[in-house]
Amino acid sequence: SAVISQKPSRDICQRGTSLTIQCQVDSQVTMMFWYRQQPGQSLTLIATANQGSEATYESGFVIDKFPISRPNLTFSTLTVSNMSPEDSSIYLCSVVDRGQNEQFFGPGTRLTVL
Amino acid sequence: KNEVEQSPQNLTAQEGEFITINCSYSVGISALHWLQQHPGGGIVSLFMLSSGKKKHGRLIATINIQEKHSSLHITASHPRDSAVYICAGIGGGADGLTFGKGTHLIIQP
Repeated sequence: SAVISQKPSRDICQRGTSLTIQCQVDSQVTMMFWYRQQPGQSLTLIATANQGSEATYESGFVIDKFPISRPNLTFSTLTVSNMSPEDSSIYLCSVVDRGQNEQFFGPGTRLTVL
Repeated sequence: KNEVEQSPQNLTAQEGEFITINCSYSVGISALHWLQQHPGGGIVSLFMLSSGKKKHGRLIATINIQEKHSSLHITASHPRDSAVYICAGIGGGADGLTFGKGTHLIIQP
């Protein structure tokens, strides 16, 4: 199994600022995913981050708003830029193992934008 | 576009009751995850199913590929089972998972 840690676990930010969320995995993984869960809503995929290539964003999410880095096979960052209260969510990173039979989730970052 | 529908949205039961949560999904989804989300947001994967049935402790998950339907059962439910249970589909051209809206389960002592 993969153990995933995220930093920060929670933050309260002011409108217009940016926050970078870090995701660290204890093993090398090819595919990492970033999800968002707005209050009372289901999880939504923001983007897929593969090492050595640009992240692939889902409809409704753009790189300027959610830039992603994937410098190696164990680490990724998601930045929430120019935040507004609508960005208040739990942000989760997730990885898939080689056989794609298991998907593991980080503990999440709870973001509140005032 | 992949779709995953869950029911019920909310479920309150007494300790010891048998719990069933249902999930239906669209054509193209080839497998399902059942996930458990505790207050605070942490998510644990309970099962990944592409056919048949899986059991782990008091949890049982089944999937009917022809009917595109899956169920999660909890036997002898306990207050510590209280959580949000989410089914999530794999496949259909999507890299990541397509999530249902979740079932908020409360088990009362």
